[in-house]
Amino acid sequence: AQTVTQSQPEMSVQEAETVTLSCTYDTSENNYYLFWYKQPPSRQMILVIRQEAYKQQNATENRFSVNFQKAAKSFSLKISDSQLGDTAMYFCAFMRYNAGNMLTFGGGTRLMVKP
Amino acid sequence: IAGITQAPTSQILAAGRRMTLRCTQDMRHNAMYWYRQDLGLGLRLIHYSNTAGTTGKGEVPDGYSVSRANTDDFPLTLASAVPSQTSVYFCASSLSSGTNEQFFGPGTRLTVL
Repeated sequence: AQTVTQSQPEMSVQEAETVTLSCTYDTSENNYYLFWYKQPPSRQMILVIRQEAYKQQNATENRFSVNFQKAAKSFSLKISDSQLGDTAMYFCAFMRYNAGNMLTFGGGTRLMVKP
Repeated sequence: IAGITQAPTSQILAAGRRMTLRCTQDMRHNAMYWYRQDLGLGLRLIHYSNTAGTTGKGEVPDGYSVSRANTDDFPLTLASAVPSQTSVYFCASSLSSGTNEQFFGPGTRLTVL
């Protein structure tokens, strides 16, 4: 079974600064996908970024980027130039390759962006 | 385009009552999922369906049942609700079980007293 751990229950950052959210996972699989989801106060789950384990290059989506360390089983999310609208819960998630699309989520990190 | 809709938005239910949470998607996605979200635990998969007519158990299936009579609808039933089923429930869908992006509904907040 896979497990996903987010060790920071809460974090805060000043607007326009950079923040990094941590995620580690445990698996014996070699092929898998990793995701970061954002859940703002509206409760809607929004996909932020995803990474295929076979790709060495870190994924980037505008102000969001990841640091994927496969050997260390680490998948951190960096948010640059933080904006007030980034205030949300952030969930790291794992999916085995060819495993019916089932996601395993971490417990989440609550991020507060302060003006 | 609605995407995924869930009903009701919230519900307070007496223990022992039967409850069905509704989920409908208009994206013609083959795969659908039900998760529950609890504080500190993230989202956990309850049941899934890779295509109409098939269903499977997720991580926490006990006390829940699902059906998939057609592509669009994936209801979740609590046959006899218990307080530990108090949670926020999310329905999700993806184009197929081989496609890895899931789209989520707005959630249903259920309180069992």
